Amino acid sequence: ETGVTQTPRHLVMGMTNKKSLKCEQHLGHNAMYWYKQSAKKPLELMFVYNFKEQTENNSVPSRFSPECPNSSHLFLHLHTLQPEDSALYLCASSQGRGNTEAFFGQGTRLTVV
Amino acid sequence: AQTVTQSQPEMSVQEAETVTLSCTYDTSENNYYLFWYKQPPSRQMILVIRQEAYKQQNATENRFSVNFQKAAKSFSLKISDSQLGDTAMYFCAFSTNAGKSTFGDGTTLTVKP
Repeated sequence: ETGVTQTPRHLVMGMTNKKSLKCEQHLGHNAMYWYKQSAKKPLELMFVYNFKEQTENNSVPSRFSPECPNSSHLFLHLHTLQPEDSALYLCASSQGRGNTEAFFGQGTRLTVV
Repeated sequence: AQTVTQSQPEMSVQEAETVTLSCTYDTSENNYYLFWYKQPPSRQMILVIRQEAYKQQNATENRFSVNFQKAAKSFSLKISDSQLGDTAMYFCAFSTNAGKSTFGDGTTLTVKP
């Protein structure tokens, strides 16, 4: 266990559904990240939050909406997704400084039908 | 912008033998950090080893060591005495001083009995 917990572990949703992914860390980290992992692109950074403020959005479609209510929790709200959005979504956290590593959650395996 | 290139999508090695995974990067920064992460099948991604760019000495962690060539912008990972549990996807990552990370596309390593 790395100290970063993601729920749910698996999610199947229709294209018209709305769902949310949750990530939680109690490591005292200041930065939290969402990554998308798929066969097409093994590790693709989506969003970065530092001290609850979004500092990076890598041209992610608006059907993905992140939320960071505090430094320990990060959500990814999903709506009107496409089948090509099916992937493993990884959350990570770090101290936010260059010399510290990222701690990853186990990921949510998302399937859009 | 930083780029990280892992030129070997897949590799295999016999148990107890040594294998080297390659990684090259491109940056204009002088101070930065390099990491190797391991993602076993269906398990969380974890840090294997890290290297500070200002340190000339190559980092080692038990059976894992790196060959850091700053001028060549090369950061390879050597795994000695390979074990079945080393089977995983390995990601090379670069981090700026400010904590902005870039990951390579990964190398899938299979250790054969």
